[in-house]
Amino acid sequence: DVKVTQSSRYLVKRTGEKVFLECVQDMDHENMFWYRQDPGLGLRLIYFSYDVKMKEKGDIPEGYSVSREKKERFSLILESASTNQTSMYLCASSLFNPYYSGYTFGSGTRLTVV
Amino acid sequence: ELKVEQNPLFLSMQEGKNYTIYCNYSTTSDRLYWYRQDPGKSLESLFVLLSNGAVKQEGRLMASLDTKARLSTLHITAAVHDLSATYFCAAGGATNKLIFGTGTLLAVQP
Repeated sequence: DVKVTQSSRYLVKRTGEKVFLECVQDMDHENMFWYRQDPGLGLRLIYFSYDVKMKEKGDIPEGYSVSREKKERFSLILESASTNQTSMYLCASSLFNPYYSGYTFGSGTRLTVV
Repeated sequence: ELKVEQNPLFLSMQEGKNYTIYCNYSTTSDRLYWYRQDPGKSLESLFVLLSNGAVKQEGRLMASLDTKARLSTLHITAAVHDLSATYFCAAGGATNKLIFGTGTLLAVQP
C-alpha cells in the first residue's frame, strides 16, 4: 500500500526551539507539500517542492523553512518555534501532474509549542 | 490568486435528511477534489472532478462541478450517522498546488 509517512504523531516543543517535521513517501512522487490545519481555517499551504532541492512558498511561509535533499523526503523546519505555530501539520505528495492521480496525505503531526 | 470558499462551516442534520455543501473558487481551475476527514485522522479522497458538468456518486454522496459558475456541490442523500466527519473541497491551482476550503463539519443526529 502506498504511503506518506510522517515521523511523529504528536510533538511538544518549547518556545524558541528548532523543530524538524519529517515526511517520507514511497510512491516516487515528484511533488511534496506541507500544510497546516487550524479549526475554521481549513488547510493552508506552507511550502511545496516539485523536485529535489527545489521549493516554493505557499500562502503562509513565514516562520518556516523546508528541505528536500532526496526525492522521497521533505522536511519542514520551524527555526524558532512560537506558540502561534501550535497546529496540526499535514504532508502530502503527488505526481508532477496530479490531474488524474490526485494527492496522498500523511496522517499528520500535532505540534504543541509551550 | 486562487481562493476557495466553502459553506456552511458547520452542519447539523438529522438522519434521513438531504443537504448540500457548497464550494466556490475564485479563478479558473481544471480540477476539484472532495476529501473526508474523521477526527484525529488524515484526509481520505472522495471525488476528483475534472470537467464541466462532471458528476460522481458514491453511496449517499454525490459531487458535481460547474466550471462556468466556479462552483462544486457535495450532496448528501438520506444522511446516516456514519457520514459524520469534516468534508473539504480543494481546487487545483497553478504549479500543481492544491488550495483548500475551510471545511464543513457535518454532524448527523439520530
